[in-house]
Amino acid sequence: DAGITQSPRHKVTETGTPVTLRCHQTENHRYMYWYRQDPGHGLRLIHYSYGVKDTDKGEVSDGYSVSRSKTEDFLLTLESATSSQTSVYFCAIGGAGLSYEQYFGPGTRLTVT
Amino acid sequence: GQNIDQPTEMTATEGAIVQINCTYQTSGFNGLFWYQQHAGEAPTFLSYNVLDGLEEKGRFSSFLSRSKGYSYLLLKELQMKDSASYLCAVYNSGNTPLVFGKGTRLSVIA
Repeated sequence: DAGITQSPRHKVTETGTPVTLRCHQTENHRYMYWYRQDPGHGLRLIHYSYGVKDTDKGEVSDGYSVSRSKTEDFLLTLESATSSQTSVYFCAIGGAGLSYEQYFGPGTRLTVT
Repeated sequence: GQNIDQPTEMTATEGAIVQINCTYQTSGFNGLFWYQQHAGEAPTFLSYNVLDGLEEKGRFSSFLSRSKGYSYLLLKELQMKDSASYLCAVYNSGNTPLVFGKGTRLSVIA
């Protein structure tokens, strides 16, 4: 298994509070991604990174920001959480290079009350 | 734009064969992935097709027709543990991320 961890694994927070989710990899991969997964919508890309300090927006980036100061860490921040951001968040690495396959972390279940 | 379609749900009997279809309309297509996702878990890689034809890997096979924008995942000798969602994802070009379909939830019944 690819070495990807996410923290926290579960979080309950209140509307309006800031939340930061962390993705950590030990594969030294250049590309990292944040997705959210909701019933009826499948996996939707929030932001991705193609190197340290290099990030780009995905399909559903509004209300989210990211940072990548080290190769191994990719942070997703909800500046002011809303109930519509209740979801399961997956981090992934890979997607470029020889195989283009992406490997996923275990996910973070976020509930905004 | 991009559009990836899969059936929402399918049911099949243990020991049978099931085919899960995926159609796509994208620009700059370079390959198609299938992932398996059990409830409450992360997606895991099943197969990757770049060229037309059938790729076989044990009980699972994946087919691609680039001219028709069509792929299918074939599962043989179904087992109860194959109950999961199956996600079709398209790789377009350059360093762009994968684009996922909404997934097909397969239920295997006795």
